[in-house]
Amino acid sequence: DVKVTQSSRYLVKRTGEKVFLECVQDMDHENMFWYRQDPGLGLRLIYFSYDVKMKEKGDIPEGYSVSREKKERFSLILESASTNQTSMYLCASLSGGGLQPQHFGDGTRLSIL
Amino acid sequence: QKEVEQNSGPLSVPEGAIASLNCTYSDRGSQSFFWYRQYSGKSPELIMFIYSNGDKEDGRFTAQLNKASQYVSLLIRDSQPSDSATYLCAVNPGNTPLVFGKGTRLSVIA
Repeated sequence: DVKVTQSSRYLVKRTGEKVFLECVQDMDHENMFWYRQDPGLGLRLIYFSYDVKMKEKGDIPEGYSVSREKKERFSLILESASTNQTSMYLCASLSGGGLQPQHFGDGTRLSIL
Repeated sequence: QKEVEQNSGPLSVPEGAIASLNCTYSDRGSQSFFWYRQYSGKSPELIMFIYSNGDKEDGRFTAQLNKASQYVSLLIRDSQPSDSATYLCAVNPGNTPLVFGKGTRLSVIA
């Protein structure tokens, strides 16, 4: 079974803080993704990565950055947290080409006060 | 813009009935199609995938794909209250991230 592990289930931070969300997968998947999910808006892709040290912007990259120094780990960084970044953040990984499903981590519910 | 459309619901069905969830997609070149179930406050969980036209059955779940009509559906037979969740349709339009619909909320009434 694929295991995607997110470092925190719940996180509370203050406005202006730099926030790190960590994601680790154990199946040697090339592709990793960060989404946020808000009521009525569905899943929105923030950033994704096809390989180590490689990143691509998704639909809503503003205010975020990412890091992928090792194949198994993909980090999402909120450079200066704001209240509108309060959300559920979901990490996912995917092996190979287009016929495989994405596997999600348990999610991190982030509150910015 | 590659899009996946789902009726947001809620879709209410009585316990034991068949629930039918539908999804349309815009990119005719899409290759693979997935259904995820998401309970409130939890992350999406893969329940079915389908690549070829026709039906694919797994237990109480049947996925149906019609590429000519760009239409995917999920049937849940003998619906149970535990099936109450939001169901996300996802489409892979090629060598790019999955495109997700916003989900259909299903409520199974005991």
